[in-house]
Amino acid sequence: DSGVTQTPKHLITATGQRVTLRCSPRSGDLSVYWYQQSLDQGLQFLIHYYNGEERAKGNILERFSAQQFPDLHSELNLSSLELGDSALYFCASSVSFRAGIQYFGAGTRLSVL
Amino acid sequence: TQLLEQSPQFLSIQEGENLTVYCNSSSVFSSLQWYRQEPGEGPVLLVTVVTGGEVKKLKRLTFQFGDARKDSSLHITAAQPGDTGLYLCAGAYNYGQNFVFGPGTRLSVLP
Repeated sequence: DSGVTQTPKHLITATGQRVTLRCSPRSGDLSVYWYQQSLDQGLQFLIHYYNGEERAKGNILERFSAQQFPDLHSELNLSSLELGDSALYFCASSVSFRAGIQYFGAGTRLSVL
Repeated sequence: TQLLEQSPQFLSIQEGENLTVYCNSSSVFSSLQWYRQEPGEGPVLLVTVVTGGEVKKLKRLTFQFGDARKDSSLHITAAQPGDTGLYLCAGAYNYGQNFVFGPGTRLSVLP
């Protein structure tokens, strides 16, 4: 158990809908990272938050947004969902981003029908 | 755009054999990590290497970071079926604020 909690584990929804994925980092970790993993694209870095502030953006679509709250949990919002958004979404946390160490949650499997 | 390549893509070996997988890039990274991922689970961190030329050993696993901090290798001695999984390398850049993952090497160790 990495100590990173993601909910829900599975999510099934329809095209055009909006969903929210939640991540609770390990106790004491200030950084949260979001990733998308699909069969054809591998693990893609989406966005990084540190202590409530956005620090870096990767391949995140404009339909996707994220935030980190004062209690350090983070949410990833996906809107106007398309079939191609079906994937595993992981969050990872670390104490300090400079150390380059991330602990991953078990992921949320999103199926868009 | 930072990119990481991994080779081989697939590797199937017998228990007891040695193997090496590679992670290469034309970009310099501030650190490089190796993860192992099982189906349906999140990646699990194996090691972080930070200094060019650094070598780290973890039981039967040996990790090396290239002198120029652009590439890395993972060597497994006497592979066991429990080593089966997807091995991912990840490079950190922009002072560790951004990460890029390689496509992975899928290892199968047959008993």
